[in-house]
Amino acid sequence: GAVVSQHPSWVICKSGTSVKIECRSLDFQATTMFWYRQFPKQSLMLMATSNEGSKATYEQGVEKDKFLINHASLTLSTLTVTSAHPEDSSFYICSALGGEGQETQYFGPGTRLLVL
Amino acid sequence: GNSVTQMEGPVTLSEEAFLTINCTYTATGYPSLFWYVQYPGEGLQLLLKATKADDKGSNKGFEATYRKETTSFHLEKGSVQVSDSAVYFCALSEYNFNKFYFGSGTKLNVKP
Repeated sequence: GAVVSQHPSWVICKSGTSVKIECRSLDFQATTMFWYRQFPKQSLMLMATSNEGSKATYEQGVEKDKFLINHASLTLSTLTVTSAHPEDSSFYICSALGGEGQETQYFGPGTRLLVL
Repeated sequence: GNSVTQMEGPVTLSEEAFLTINCTYTATGYPSLFWYVQYPGEGLQLLLKATKADDKGSNKGFEATYRKETTSFHLEKGSVQVSDSAVYFCALSEYNFNKFYFGSGTKLNVKP
C-alpha cells in the first residue's frame, strides 16, 4: 500500500514553455502533499506544501508564480513549471502524507525535467 | 530550529561488512525520526521510522534507535549486500508532520 505515482517520469521541453507534473496517491487519500527539488548529489529542497482545497505554502525563495501548485482532490496534486528556463532543469519529487497517524511521507518516483 | 546532520559519504564497504551511518538532529520539540533510501534513478522509499525516544525502527535488516539523550538516530546493518547500494537520507518531522527536514544524504557503495 501507500503508493505514489508521478507523471511524466521525465520530460524535455523548450525554453519558455510550461510543463505540468502530476502526483497521485494511488491507494490512499492525502490531504497534504509536498513538492521537492533535488539537485545532483544533493539533498531534497522542499519547494512547497500542498493542502487539498487550499493554497499551497511555498518555502522562502520559491517563486509561487513560476511554480504553480494545485491540489484539487485528495489523490492528486499538480506542479506546473511556467515559462521554463534551463536553470529549472532538475529532478522534481512529490510526496504524500499518509500512514497511521498521517505521519509518514510516501514519495513518488520523481520527474526529471530538462529544459533546452 | 530543526535540522538534521548526516555523515558525509560516500561510504564504501565490502559485502557482509557492518554498516553505520551517523545521523544527529536538532529539534525544538519531540520529533519523529525517519530513514529513507533512494536507489539509483528512483524516488525515496521509507526504510524505517521511530516516533518517540528509545523506539527502535527496523526493516530489511536495518535498525536505528531514537536516542534523545544524544539526539541521534544512527542507521546500522550487520551485514550489507551489494543491493543495499543507494543513498540514505535521515529525516525528522515536527509533531504535526506538516514539515520534514532532511539530511544531505549518504551514498553507500557495497562492493562484492
